[in-house]
Amino acid sequence: QQQVKQSPQSLIVQKGGISIINCAYENTAFDYFPWYQQFPGKGPALLIAIRPDVSEKKEGRFTISFNKSAKQFSLHIMDSQPGDSATYFCAASTSSGTASKLTFGTGTRLQVTL
Amino acid sequence: DSGVTQTPKHLITATGQRVTLRCSPRSGDLSVYWYQQSLDQGLQFLIQYYNGEERAKGNILERFSAQQFPDLHSELNLSSLELGDSALYFCASSVGSLLGRKTEAFFGQGTRLTVV
Repeated sequence: QQQVKQSPQSLIVQKGGISIINCAYENTAFDYFPWYQQFPGKGPALLIAIRPDVSEKKEGRFTISFNKSAKQFSLHIMDSQPGDSATYFCAASTSSGTASKLTFGTGTRLQVTL
Repeated sequence: DSGVTQTPKHLITATGQRVTLRCSPRSGDLSVYWYQQSLDQGLQFLIQYYNGEERAKGNILERFSAQQFPDLHSELNLSSLELGDSALYFCASSVGSLLGRKTEAFFGQGTRLTVV
């Protein structure tokens, strides 16, 4: 059972454009939503994260929009650059007691063209 | 560099064998997580340890086991290996055990396991 659905699977954006990746979740117990960026041969690197008590968080060119009622969140990359070409994973975490685990989406392969 | 160190980077072994993957967390991090990344399954949570104790378990096979030692490094043991176990295995660490509460997970560069 996939608890975090991510789309699109792949995305091609021109340099300077806006990249948008969407995720939807089912488990209302999720309380932490990070985005990870992964380059080939590397581990996932934390990009930006949000908690459900805010609807938007911006860090530089990266923005998370969060819609709690729709159980959806998205990553917007403004002014996309070729160096942003990577695979992006959304994730969600639920914490119970003294443990928490990240449930990942299936990933979006972003290619930014010149 | 995330500060999480995984060894070895690559491992090739035969079916039926046993291997051990090692992870050294970031300095000061008490929690260690193991994930498996395969092409068809994406990133799958295996297990979490906090300060030596198992805290959460995911879809970890009975052939797999892990532990966290007093110096906080962790090992993932994979036995009776099958072709389908070929994957990237990532370790992540965090300061606390509850993600999002002033604690975030940082991933190592992974161990690529190939079972032939």
